[in-house]
Amino acid sequence: AQTVTQSQPEMSVQEAETVTLSCTYDTSESDYYLFWYKQPPSRQMILVIRQEAYKQQNATENRFSVNFQKAAKSFSLKISDSQLGDAAMYFCAYSNYGGATNKLIFGTGTLLAVQP
Amino acid sequence: GAGVSQSPRYKVAKRGQDVALRCDPISGHVSLFWYQQALGQGPEFLTYFQNEAQLDKSGLPSDRFFAERPEGSVSTLKIQRTQQEDSAVYLCASSLPAGLAGFNSYNEQFFGPGTRLTVL
Repeated sequence: AQTVTQSQPEMSVQEAETVTLSCTYDTSESDYYLFWYKQPPSRQMILVIRQEAYKQQNATENRFSVNFQKAAKSFSLKISDSQLGDAAMYFCAYSNYGGATNKLIFGTGTLLAVQP
Repeated sequence: GAGVSQSPRYKVAKRGQDVALRCDPISGHVSLFWYQQALGQGPEFLTYFQNEAQLDKSGLPSDRFFAERPEGSVSTLKIQRTQQEDSAVYLCASSLPAGLAGFNSYNEQFFGPGTRLTVL
């Protein structure tokens, strides 16, 4: 079975600084998807960034980028120029590639605080 | 509607009561997922529908949990004889079906705001 581990329950960053959130996962599959989701206090889960395992290039979305290390099964999220609105719970998630469903397997989350 | 909606947003039940939680997916989204998020934890998969067919119910924790989607749009998650360990936020997500944009393509899951269930 696939698992996702986030070892940082809480992180803090100064506004305009850079922060990196860590995630490791375990799977026997060679093709899969990895995600970072943001869950603000209102609870609506929002997709931040997605990485296909077969792609060697790290995904980037504006101030958000990932460091995907397939051999190490590591998938970290870097937030550059942190903003107050980035404060939220961040979840790393995994999904199998192909098949009838794309159910997500989540880590336990990292609560990010942004200090003004 | 613009997004996934869920109702009620908050539900308090006495232990032993039955509850029903509703999810309205995004129009045109044939895939629908239910997740359970306990306090301080990440969401955990409960069940998956494609249209009205329940294709995966491997995450339902017990036979007290039942989900349906009779017309392939609105879905209801029912919990019978609620227990305190059922207290959690129940999240619904919808998406276009896997593979619609091409073989092995991925379609983003859009989440609703969740229903917070508290069992006393």
